[in-house]
Amino acid sequence: GENVEQHPSTLSVQEGDSAVIKCTYSDSASNYFPWYKQELGKGPQLIIDIRSNVGEKKDQRIAVTLNKTAKHFSLHITETQPEDSAVYFCAHGGGGNKLTFGTGTQLKVEL
Amino acid sequence: GAGVSQSPSNKVTEKGKDVELRCDPISGHTALYWYRQSLGQGLEFLIYFQGNSAPDKSGLPSDRFSAERTGGSVSTLTIQRTQQEDSAVYLCASSFPTGGIIYGYTFGSGTRLTVV
Repeated sequence: GENVEQHPSTLSVQEGDSAVIKCTYSDSASNYFPWYKQELGKGPQLIIDIRSNVGEKKDQRIAVTLNKTAKHFSLHITETQPEDSAVYFCAHGGGGNKLTFGTGTQLKVEL
Repeated sequence: GAGVSQSPSNKVTEKGKDVELRCDPISGHTALYWYRQSLGQGLEFLIYFQGNSAPDKSGLPSDRFSAERTGGSVSTLTIQRTQQEDSAVYLCASSFPTGGIIYGYTFGSGTRLTVV
């Protein structure tokens, strides 16, 4: 199947702490794993992605890790800031040109 | 254009009326997608166009929903005889898959549809 489970559904952290969001998928054909950030009233925006030929990718304060054997991947945000507050979606694809999205995580960074 | 443009940004319609939602993708993007996002929910796939291939309509929830893409560019999503459960944000995205390799989508800001 193409389902993807995303946890947690809500996450509250203190400014400066790290946040981790995890996703589990079932489609063995998947080889592309993007993460999107959606701010209120806007469409989702791609923030980082990873392909199955690597296990980790980092871009400043955000990083994504992939365990293809276990079929799970995670988003890590370090030194969180209030502007990181948003809904984050994981997705996967590769068996075709269509992405399947997780159910979203509402991240709140508190001062 | 520079990004994916959707119109209208908001639409309020009466139950039973037909509505048309428009999406103008990034120039040169061959793939175009429609998703639906209900309040506080995830992204539900509706339909996908890729070049001149037959569209993947597997996500359309009923025969009241249809979409077309003219000239490989602008797409219109039509909902006939709208129902209250159709109320949602309808998101359009485009991408440029190359050589069978999928790439991330660029989303528009969406159309918020309210059926009263």
